Amino acid sequence: ETGVTQTPRHLVMGMTNKKSLKCEQHLGHNAMYWYKQSAKKPLELMFVYSLEERVENNSVPSRFSPECPNSSHLFLHLHTLQPEDSALYLCASSQDPSGRGYEQYFGPGTRLTVT
Amino acid sequence: AQTVTQSQPEMSVQEAETVTLSCTYDTSESDYYLFWYKQPPSRQMILVIRQEAYKQQNATENRFSVNFQKAAKSFSLKISDSQLGDAAMYFCAYRSRAAGNKLTFGGGTRVLVKP
Repeated sequence: ETGVTQTPRHLVMGMTNKKSLKCEQHLGHNAMYWYKQSAKKPLELMFVYSLEERVENNSVPSRFSPECPNSSHLFLHLHTLQPEDSALYLCASSQDPSGRGYEQYFGPGTRLTVT
Repeated sequence: AQTVTQSQPEMSVQEAETVTLSCTYDTSESDYYLFWYKQPPSRQMILVIRQEAYKQQNATENRFSVNFQKAAKSFSLKISDSQLGDAAMYFCAYRSRAAGNKLTFGGGTRVLVKP
């Protein structure tokens, strides 16, 4: 596929649970992204990491906590979520976003359902 | 703020025919990129075609071509000789360096291909 993998592909969790989403890229990129894709809404950028530093936090609630331990891995830690957080969470990677014209490559997403 | 609008929630096309998807955007920048992404059902989002705003020539990738009208801020996608595998959600996206190279997506157009 695109060289970006995400696990798990599906996740059902209660509002009091703590879970983590994982993303891994095998493309040698140094920027990684989390997006939220809800039904009937445009994709929303949540976080951007460049060279393992968070460079963007798009007013995301603190119940979502990203972690980027190295340039190949990105996590999204979840706790005390709400039912409206149910969505498809997409990870993407690219070369340094400050460069010109670098495309983002997307993973298959994690379908999250909060009960 | 930049916005991207896709006015057609769903388009249907007969196999081997041509379909055109519309996209308009709003920006005050002169240097930016436009993209069309394809998201098949339960599969990864992949880049279909990209256009640099400074290039007057419309981008083409095999059966996919764009009509880029910079003054009108319009960026339509034409799919020629439609195939069953073209059935997917198609997202128009915008990126500019002034906006931190973040991708801004439209709401998407679902393309149905009839055999």
